[in-house]
Amino acid sequence: DTGVSQNPRHKITKRGQNVTFRCDPISEHNRLYWYRQTLGQGPEFLTYFQNEAQLEKSRLLSDRFSAERPKGSFSTLEIQRTEQGDSAMYLCASSLAWTEHEKLFFGSGTQLSVL
Amino acid sequence: DAKTTQPNSMESNEEEPVHLPCNHSTISGTDYIHWYRQLPSQGPEYVIHGLTSNVNNRMASLAIAEDRKSSTLILHRATLRDAAVYYCILRDGDYGGSQGNLIFGKGTKLSVKP
Repeated sequence: DTGVSQNPRHKITKRGQNVTFRCDPISEHNRLYWYRQTLGQGPEFLTYFQNEAQLEKSRLLSDRFSAERPKGSFSTLEIQRTEQGDSAMYLCASSLAWTEHEKLFFGSGTQLSVL
Repeated sequence: DAKTTQPNSMESNEEEPVHLPCNHSTISGTDYIHWYRQLPSQGPEYVIHGLTSNVNNRMASLAIAEDRKSSTLILHRATLRDAAVYYCILRDGDYGGSQGNLIFGKGTKLSVKP
């Protein structure tokens, strides 16, 4: 198992464009999380899935953001009409629910730059 | 969620022990203390966790105060590869519930000098 995989590693886009990121979790993990991290700050929770169900969304997840996990495996995070304030590292993590202390395993992230 | 307080930054010399403090005065009886660290250009990784007793693993030790209002992550011999941001996080012990996500603060940036 290669761990949590995120693609692309870097994305540069112009303001107003749509972008989509992909996350492939550890295969047996049923929970998948999205976080956003800006420079000098800790990761901020955006949303998480248990299997294909989106169980929780942060207030940070505006209407321009949508996340899916259609078959309970990989997940995509789409940002529509990007703004410069969306520039950040987007981190994905996965875990196995109902295991003791449920460690989260993170990917290396997708760095988004909105010009 | 109960909050934690950590120093913004700390420095250490290589091969010396490092003690990273964390205050959590509003911790509840069911909160576990988790530590994650984030190496440069990587996502966070799990380090250690504990409830009341001190804990050891291959990466670090966790010393928890008797009143549980503070804890210390101990790296016994810091290496250059330990330079990272270390996050102290409280997590409800009711695993499997809806509170799956971790709430990160700003953490402590550890610099290790050769």
